[in-house]
Amino acid sequence: KAGVTQTPRYLIKTRGQQVTLSCSPISGHRSVSWYQQTPGQGLQFLFEYFSETQRNKGNFPGRFSGRQFSNSRSEMNVSTLELGDSALYLCASSANTGTSGDTQYFGPGTRLTVL
Amino acid sequence: GNSVTQMEGPVTLSEEAFLTINCTYTATGYPSLFWYVQYPGEGLQLLLKATKADDKGSNKGFEATYRKETTSFHLEKGSVQVSDSAVYFCALKNGGATNKLIFGTGTLLAVQP
Repeated sequence: KAGVTQTPRYLIKTRGQQVTLSCSPISGHRSVSWYQQTPGQGLQFLFEYFSETQRNKGNFPGRFSGRQFSNSRSEMNVSTLELGDSALYLCASSANTGTSGDTQYFGPGTRLTVL
Repeated sequence: GNSVTQMEGPVTLSEEAFLTINCTYTATGYPSLFWYVQYPGEGLQLLLKATKADDKGSNKGFEATYRKETTSFHLEKGSVQVSDSAVYFCALKNGGATNKLIFGTGTLLAVQP
């Protein structure tokens, strides 16, 4: 099976712009989660989608949003970019079998740089 | 709230040395526990997991035992290799209808030949 894919791998934007990142989960996986990784804050949970519905949301401002499509692919959007949004954005998918040990499989990430 | 605490790095070892990376957690209920590894320029890879007390997760020579009495999930390996150099993250997932992972800060391991 192909793994989790994320596009693009690298992005450079300027302050005030908006950006859309894409994630394709492993085939058959219906849960997609997004994380932000920075040197200062580490790995922080952004949100999770399951069957096109947001199931959980982290503590991020409303500029961060996401959605999931019927084929389980997901996008996240960041509007009005700030310098502090520079980070590695990781997507993870899970089969969501309902067991507590459901494993999340991560993509390679999108490296966003805001200038 | 739920949280994970990892030992500060970097940890620098010589090849074939014994590795321990400490991880403790605070959680309500009975979380599942995970160790992920991140190599330079890559995403996270699952190393091992344990879903209930006294479970031992193992993979590629790494082991960790879920200790409820000490709320710990320490990572160990008997003989490290240069190729084990990476950042290691301890994480927990509470039960319920969510896959949200809560991560520790990560521990950089550098293995020298």
